[in-house]
Amino acid sequence: ETGVTQTPRHLVMGMTNKKSLKCEQHLGHNAMYWYKQSAKKPLELMFVYSLEERVENNSVPSRFSPECPNSSHLFLHLHTLQPEDSALYLCASSQGTYNEQFFGPGTRLTVL
Amino acid sequence: QKEVEQDPGPLSVPEGAIVSLNCTYSNSAFQYFMWYRQYSRKGPELLMYTYSSGNKEDGRFTAQVDKSSKYISLFIRDSQPSDSATYLCAMRGGGETSGSRLTFGEGTQLTVNP
Repeated sequence: ETGVTQTPRHLVMGMTNKKSLKCEQHLGHNAMYWYKQSAKKPLELMFVYSLEERVENNSVPSRFSPECPNSSHLFLHLHTLQPEDSALYLCASSQGTYNEQFFGPGTRLTVL
Repeated sequence: QKEVEQDPGPLSVPEGAIVSLNCTYSNSAFQYFMWYRQYSRKGPELLMYTYSSGNKEDGRFTAQVDKSSKYISLFIRDSQPSDSATYLCAMRGGGETSGSRLTFGEGTQLTVNP
């Protein structure tokens, strides 16, 4: 595997389900990010982890819970989501938070 | 008012045309400007990275920044069908006080027709 990988690529869940999105970076970076991309809207930064510590939480509802167990892995735990949470969730990584961010292919989430 | 304005298109051009993509912004603290390209079903990839005002050229791509007008552009010469994608502008401030957060435009969907 190279670059930034994300699983699953597609996810359909009901409002009462609990699921997790996984991101793995193979670039040796020390910062990881979760973004939300909705149609007709700019990318929205959700969370930033630097050196495995959360350094930014951009007013994201508590139904989204991130976890960064080490510098290569990032999870987004989802529970009791709303239909408006349907979007493409992108993971990114960088070496330091001021350098180029490399994005994964995203997880297309649909909440029924 | 959005911090970054970008016409979402869609923009459709014939192969070989010169394409001009633009963003305007309101935050005068922005100093670093980027263009990302996003193909369908893929994540964004960095295409061009510029600092402050001026032009930067890379092959068929030219990025232009005019800080006095708070306006950035991406020009694509001799456009190819493989250039068909969504182009996102992004920018951030220059120092510790401005932070490292990127602010993105909405993206412009470009189709280059053979």
